[in-house]
Amino acid sequence: QVQLQQWGAGLLKPSETLSLTCGVYGESFSGYYWSWIRQRPGKGLEWIGEINHSGSANYNPSLKSRSTISVDTSMMQVSLKLSPVTAADTAVYYCARSRYSDYGTYYYGMDVWGQGTTVTVSS
Amino acid sequence: SSDLTQDPAVSVALGQTVRITCQGASLRNQYVSWYQQKPGQAPVFVTNGKTNRPSGIPDRFSGSSSGNTASLTITGAQAEDEADYYCNSRDSSGVHLVFGGGTKLTVL
Repeated sequence: QVQLQQWGAGLLKPSETLSLTCGVYGESFSGYYWSWIRQRPGKGLEWIGEINHSGSANYNPSLKSRSTISVDTSMMQVSLKLSPVTAADTAVYYCARSRYSDYGTYYYGMDVWGQGTTVTVSS
Repeated sequence: SSDLTQDPAVSVALGQTVRITCQGASLRNQYVSWYQQKPGQAPVFVTNGKTNRPSGIPDRFSGSSSGNTASLTITGAQAEDEADYYCNSRDSSGVHLVFGGGTKLTVL
């Protein structure tokens, strides 16, 4: 059964770079997209972006200029960098597995989630 | 603002049926996924109305869609179903993903 384990720095100062990694354990890495999602305190879920095993990425237009999602297939890891951060980036960040039909015609949802990483941006 | 619109809060009496809806122009011809989130926990995938329900999700949860509205129906709501529910699909671009604002379900 696939499990996602996240890690990264939890306390940042404004203008620094948020860096998180998500490790995939227990199942194949290819054939899926791997998403990053965040949830600001008391707010809803916000999709940041996704990437597949070959490095093809899509980003939320509102975060694209500050976001970079990368993949290391040998380690079965996906990483998120967000820079520069402000207090508005304080949130719980999740990674999740996204499923699509063949050729990406249909999106089937995010069926496995990481445990979440709390990131606080404060001077 | 979000491409997907959900009612902020819905309540249901214990054992009754409740429908949580998600509206958006992009939902025509797309599947909509639903997630349950309890306080302090990561979201859990519930259904997309297409693929099999994940193991551990009771069959009282079902997803459906008509036109630009998708629904999550809980038939016989239980106390443990009290949670926030989010819908999720592609946005109007067809490329990016988007979540609804979430619905807080209270079981009375």
